[in-house]
Order: sequence, then structure tokens, then C-alpha cells
Amino acid sequence: AQSVTQLGSHVSVSEGALVLLRCNYSSSVPPYLFWYVQYPNQGLQLLLKYTTGATLVKGINGFEAEFKKSETSFHLTKPSAHMSDAAEYFCAVRRPSSSNTGKLIFGQGTTLQVKP
Amino acid sequence: EAEVAQSPRYKITEKSQAVAFWCDPISGHATLYWYRQILGQGPELLVQFQDESVVDDSQLPKDRFSAERLKGVDSTLKIQPAELGDSAMYLCASSLTSGTEQYFGPGTRLTVT
Repeated sequence: AQSVTQLGSHVSVSEGALVLLRCNYSSSVPPYLFWYVQYPNQGLQLLLKYTTGATLVKGINGFEAEFKKSETSFHLTKPSAHMSDAAEYFCAVRRPSSSNTGKLIFGQGTTLQVKP
Repeated sequence: EAEVAQSPRYKITEKSQAVAFWCDPISGHATLYWYRQILGQGPELLVQFQDESVVDDSQLPKDRFSAERLKGVDSTLKIQPAELGDSAMYLCASSLTSGTEQYFGPGTRLTVT
């Protein structure tokens, strides 16, 4: 079975500071990994994904994440936080595309607060 | 830019009443998903369609929930009767196939009183 753990339900940073949101996963097969962002009362928007290949992936809005198989982690970072980054962030896993199910398994989410 | 459409955006209903949500996926997307997101939690898959066929409904409470995608395009999710614990955001997503990126709609926020 697959599962996702996001460490820290709330993270607060100052504008311009480093953003680090932590995600650890459990999977019996090498998974595909995703980060999504959700603004209040809106759907989810894909920030970035890891499937195969380079373990450091870059996404939209200056975010990036690194897949570390040995640590079963996929932490999300951004060098300098902007006020507009305040939102809920979800890490998710999925079986590789060889499976006919596209089911995403999400973590509990991390609320990012950006202070001026 | 094509988007997933959902309606209504907000719904308030009383316990024991029936309620239905509608989703129109991005044109050409064969795979459609319904997720439920309880406040403070991540979304959980309720049902996945490939065209008009159900691929995965293992987490759908079938005693009160039903979902259909009759022509393999838009989809309806129904709850009858609604219970207080059904209060949540119901998200629809679509993708070209089951292995490609999922695009999410804005969701329907259901409140059961």
C-alpha cells in the first residue's frame, strides 16, 4: 500500500525567506510523486512532478523538489517566499503509468503562511 | 485554456435529503475522477472512470453514493440520503488517460445541516 506523510501541518516563513515543505512516502514500487497547491475554495493545481530521470525537478512559480529514494522523501523548496505563495500544499503519490489506475494518494496537507 | 467545470460551487442541504454534483471534464479526456476532501485533510479518491466504465470505486460508500458517466463525457455524483459526515469539498479531475496529468475543477463545497 502507498501512503504519504507531510511533516508539519502549518509552516510560517517571512517574505523572502526559504520555503521548505517536507514529504515522506511509503510505496512497495517506485512511485510517481507530485506536489499540488490549493488556494482557498479552489481546486488543486500541479506544481511539479517526478516520474523518472533527474531527481531534482523544477516546477512553476520557482518551486523545486528533490526525490531521494534512500530517504523516501520528496521535499518541496523555494529559495525566496512571496506573499502570493500562501496556500495549502499537498504531496501525492501514484503508481507508475503501467497501472490502469491513476489514483492519487495525498498527504494531509501543509498550510504555508507568509509573513510580511 | 480548457478547464474542468463543476456545478454547483456551493450546496447546503439537510440531512436525509438527496444531492447531486455535476462535472464536465476537459474535452477529449477519457479518464474522470471524483475525489472527496474533508476539511483539513487531503483529497481521497471516490471513483475513477475510463470513458463510461468504472475503473476504481473501492472507496465509494455504495449504500448512499452513486456515480455515472453515461456517454463517457460529463459525470454526476449523487448522495442519497446525505449525512452530516458528508460535509466536504467534492473535487472532479480529468486526464487524457489514466497515466497522464490530472486537471482539477474548482470543486463543490457541500454542507449538510
